[in-house]
Amino acid sequence: GAVVSQHPSRVICKSGTSVKIECRSLDFQATTMFWYRQFPKQSLMLMATSNEGSKATYEQGVEKDKFLINHASLTLSTLTVTSAHPEDSSFYICSHNGYYGYTFGSGTRLTVV
Amino acid sequence: KNQVEQSPQSLIILEGKNCTLQCNYTVSPFSNLRWYKQDTGRGPVSLTIMTFSENTKSNGRYTATLDADTKQSSLHITASQLSDSASYICVVSEDSNYQLIWGAGTKLIIKP
Repeated sequence: GAVVSQHPSRVICKSGTSVKIECRSLDFQATTMFWYRQFPKQSLMLMATSNEGSKATYEQGVEKDKFLINHASLTLSTLTVTSAHPEDSSFYICSHNGYYGYTFGSGTRLTVV
Repeated sequence: KNQVEQSPQSLIILEGKNCTLQCNYTVSPFSNLRWYKQDTGRGPVSLTIMTFSENTKSNGRYTATLDADTKQSSLHITASQLSDSASYICVVSEDSNYQLIWGAGTKLIIKP
């Protein structure tokens, strides 16, 4: 099946700094990728949809200036959490909808201290 | 309002036993229903996907059922193993814009 590689798996950063999360689509050219956030004991919440070569579409309540998404190629989408705060600590997961349906990355555990 | 509700919220069973997880939805128009397994700290992994016309689908020891009339689905796990300990999430896809509506999941713990 398709593979989505997400990196890093864990990151700890200081409050006020920025963190970049990479999501690579292997074996599939993804024109669209999805970014989710999951807080403890809660289900995944769609944050935004990244589109190759154009602007991302953000869900209501998600600050586009804080969560910068870049989808410059068919195999790479990145999410940058800018000026991170402790409340941004969460589990971030990317996915794409390919030949085998939705395939998810392994997730990134972000802890802002 | 499109919603997906799962029950129970959590479940503890002994290794080797069977269990059934429930999913009720109000998503309309309906496209398909998926069950995912999510290990702690990992991304979800697809178990089954069913469209409107499918009543049951199996994947090894996992069997999902779908009743599109009552808008209910179940996931039956047979002869549970310790590795089955995870969260199981029901996700329904809306047909008009392909939006995924996520359930909150059932946390399953298998004890030896």
